[in-house]
Amino acid sequence: DAGVIQSPRHEVTEMGQEVTLRCKPISGHDYLFWYRQTMMRGLELLIYFNNNVPIDDSGMPEDRFSAKMPNASFSTLKIQPSEPRDSAVYFCASSPGPMPQHFGDGTRLSIL
Amino acid sequence: SQKIEQNSEALNIQEGKTATLTCNYTNYSPAYLQWYRQDPGRGPVFLLLIRENEKEKRKERLKVTFDTTLKQSLFHITASQPADSATYLCALLTGGGNKLTFGTGTQLKVEL
Repeated sequence: DAGVIQSPRHEVTEMGQEVTLRCKPISGHDYLFWYRQTMMRGLELLIYFNNNVPIDDSGMPEDRFSAKMPNASFSTLKIQPSEPRDSAVYFCASSPGPMPQHFGDGTRLSIL
Repeated sequence: SQKIEQNSEALNIQEGKTATLTCNYTNYSPAYLQWYRQDPGRGPVFLLLIRENEKEKRKERLKVTFDTTLKQSLFHITASQPADSATYLCALLTGGGNKLTFGTGTQLKVEL
């Protein structure tokens, strides 16, 4: 069984550019989570969906961040405009219930 | 304020010994506590879950304890092997039971 698939694995872009991160959850999982991991703050929940509906976006740092889940097999996290402090590893996770969560291998984002 | 604390310093132990990692939390009343393993460049992988009414849980060489009075969980790896070297994260289920809040993790190194 394929796990959670994230793309791209690495992204380097210049400040001010739009960044789109993609996630394909495990089939049949009703929950999808977006996290950000940095050395300073660890792993932080940004937003989660249940049955494609955003339930809690209280972790989204600013209006520059947005997430969508148009169907059960695809989600995007968008940053527009990007800033250097957005540099981090972004993880997507899915689960059949709230837990346990299955993580993808992340997108390492560098904003220059 | 709410905190989840894990040893920030790396834990170095000799192969064959038991590794013990600590997770302390304040101002939470979690119904569940989980442990995840994270290897460099990879997403966290679920290991064990323990409920608030369980004192101890075992899985192969892994053992987790959960003391809701002390607000502490201990994670043990017996007969440790170099392949056990990784960062280990504890996580509490919060936010009405749907959100995971992670500790910052403890890096374990098992030496020959």
